[in-house]
Amino acid sequence: GAGVSQSPSNKVTEKGKDVELRCDPISGHTALYWYRQSLGQGLEFLIYFQGNSAPDKSGLPSDRFSAERTGGSVSTLTIQRTQQEDSAVYLCASSSQGAIKGGYTFGSGTRLTVV
Amino acid sequence: DAKTTQPPSMDCAEGRAANLPCNHSTISGNEYVYWYRQIHSQGPQYIIHGLKNNETNEMASLIITEDRKSSTLILPHATLRDTAVYYCIAFNSGGSNYKLTFGKGTLLTVNP
Repeated sequence: GAGVSQSPSNKVTEKGKDVELRCDPISGHTALYWYRQSLGQGLEFLIYFQGNSAPDKSGLPSDRFSAERTGGSVSTLTIQRTQQEDSAVYLCASSSQGAIKGGYTFGSGTRLTVV
Repeated sequence: DAKTTQPPSMDCAEGRAANLPCNHSTISGNEYVYWYRQIHSQGPQYIIHGLKNNETNEMASLIITEDRKSSTLILPHATLRDTAVYYCIAFNSGGSNYKLTFGKGTLLTVNP
């Protein structure tokens, strides 16, 4: 597609439930990134994919968080047993490894609210 | 990646040029300066990047000092839609580096 697509755009879930957030990167972009942004805070790096591999998972806050990428395309971020502190906007970005390596294209994010 | 320092907020009148400064005094020779902005409730948007030379595109101009210790992003004719948080990032795009680290940025408010 023309841009990075994330779904759902909004998700309200009860504490303790599992959620899945989806990211469709720009076609042909080999690198994919997940960030999260809590209310009034900066962007916090979560995980990076190169193809289907995740060389850096260091930003995942706990073992309740996991992510996968299949076919070098779609990625899913899963949060198990959600907690209220997980409430945030989860942003996905993709980039090519070409001339503008640091030129990420971000999606509009998924706003997660844990009640 | 080198640390960058930006003022927390700035104001600009609509139609005037907005000049956003960034200090990156410890930048290394292979680190580029990237600028992004984040309009409220949206994901960050890439604006421009440069290494040594000044750069211009349809969105903005980037002026980098000769010693590369600071830079200025210029929005030549700011509009109300340019109100956003602007992030300056020093990024080494060589080798296996991949991760952009966002600081707190500058909140630019364009006033009518």
